[in-house]
Amino acid sequence: EAGVAQSPRYKIIEKRQSVAFWCNPISGHATLYWYQQILGQGPKLLIQFQNNGVVDDSQLPKDRFSAERLKGVDSTLKIQPAKLEDSAVYLCASSLAGAVDTQYFGPGTRLTVL
Amino acid sequence: QKEVEQNSGPLSVPEGAIASLNCTYSDRGSQSFFWYRQYSGKSPELIMSIYSNGDKEDGRFTAQLNKASQYVSLLIRDSQPSDSATYLCAVNRLGGNNRLAFGKGNQVVVIP
Repeated sequence: EAGVAQSPRYKIIEKRQSVAFWCNPISGHATLYWYQQILGQGPKLLIQFQNNGVVDDSQLPKDRFSAERLKGVDSTLKIQPAKLEDSAVYLCASSLAGAVDTQYFGPGTRLTVL
Repeated sequence: QKEVEQNSGPLSVPEGAIASLNCTYSDRGSQSFFWYRQYSGKSPELIMSIYSNGDKEDGRFTAQLNKASQYVSLLIRDSQPSDSATYLCAVNRLGGNNRLAFGKGNQVVVIP
């Protein structure tokens, strides 16, 4: 079974530029999550989708971050404009629908904002 | 108060010894508790889940949950160099849509 796929793996941009990350979850997983992990910290949930609907985006900085999952499968997370403090690893995870299902993480995208 | 706290600094243990990690959480209504292992530069990987008070054993790993005291712990027996990683405690909030709150993690270094 293929795991969660993410691209790109690394990205370096200047502040105020825009960037987009892509995620393809495990086949059949209805729930998709985007996390931000700053160095030395645990992952922080940015947004959660159930199929193509948003379940939780309470911690998403909506003035600069946006995400979509138009067809209920793959998803894109965008930052525009980027700030220095956005430098982090952006992790995508997926799970079967349900309250306690295991979340499987992708390899992440390491973003460096200069 | 942070939702999930892991306050211990890096833990160095000799090979073959027991590594003990602790985690406390603030939401008394939390229902599900997880330990993830994260190797440097890699993504988190689930190693243990526990839902009721008491101990749960899986191979060399034992998770312990005490809801009254709001803490969960992880014991790694017969520690191996391959256990050297950061261990993240995660808690599923009551009524949450499988939203996990993570602690900052504890680094474990197993010395051969």
